[in-house]
Amino acid sequence: KAGVTQTPRYLIKTRGQQVTLSCSPISGHRSVSWYQQTPGQGLQFLFEYFSETQRNKGNFPGRFSGRQFSNSRSEMNVSTLELGDSALYLCASSFVGGINEQFFGPGTRLTVL
Amino acid sequence: SQQGEEDPQALSIQEGENATMNCSYKTSINNLQWYRQNSGRGLVHLILIRSNEREKHSGRLRVTLDTSKKSSSLLITASRAADTASYFCATEETSGSRLTFGEGTQLTVNP
Repeated sequence: KAGVTQTPRYLIKTRGQQVTLSCSPISGHRSVSWYQQTPGQGLQFLFEYFSETQRNKGNFPGRFSGRQFSNSRSEMNVSTLELGDSALYLCASSFVGGINEQFFGPGTRLTVL
Repeated sequence: SQQGEEDPQALSIQEGENATMNCSYKTSINNLQWYRQNSGRGLVHLILIRSNEREKHSGRLRVTLDTSKKSSSLLITASRAADTASYFCATEETSGSRLTFGEGTQLTVNP
């Protein structure tokens, strides 16, 4: 099976802009989670989607949002970008119904100037 | 906020030696997972141990879990230069499906 794919891999934006990141899960996986990784805060959970519904949400401001489509692909959006949003954004998928082993994509490196 | 604390933060060893990393957590968990990350790239799943398991092996990896002490350890035996990476523990809490990561251990294996 193909692994989790994320696009784009690298992105440079300026403050105030918005950005949309995409994640395609492993075929058959219905849960998609998003994480932010920064040197200062480490890996932090953003949100999880299952069957097109947000099932779990981390402690991030409303500027961070996401959605999931009927084919389980997911997007996350960050509006009004701030310098502190510069991070590696990781997407993970899992097959819900048993142990929640999560498989991660390569990440999208977002730089906000 | 990070639930887990890992120690050491950095570990440098010679090829062939064993590497042990420890992880502590605070809440009740369904399972604990260990991941590897090379140079800011994606996370690679290494091993998962359920809350009712005490020890698990996978190749050169051995994981232990002590739920009474809320701690876990990852042992890599006969380390190789290719094992150089950051290692993270992550817990899935009983309250939900999210993973909470530790701060990671940077392992350097010198050839």
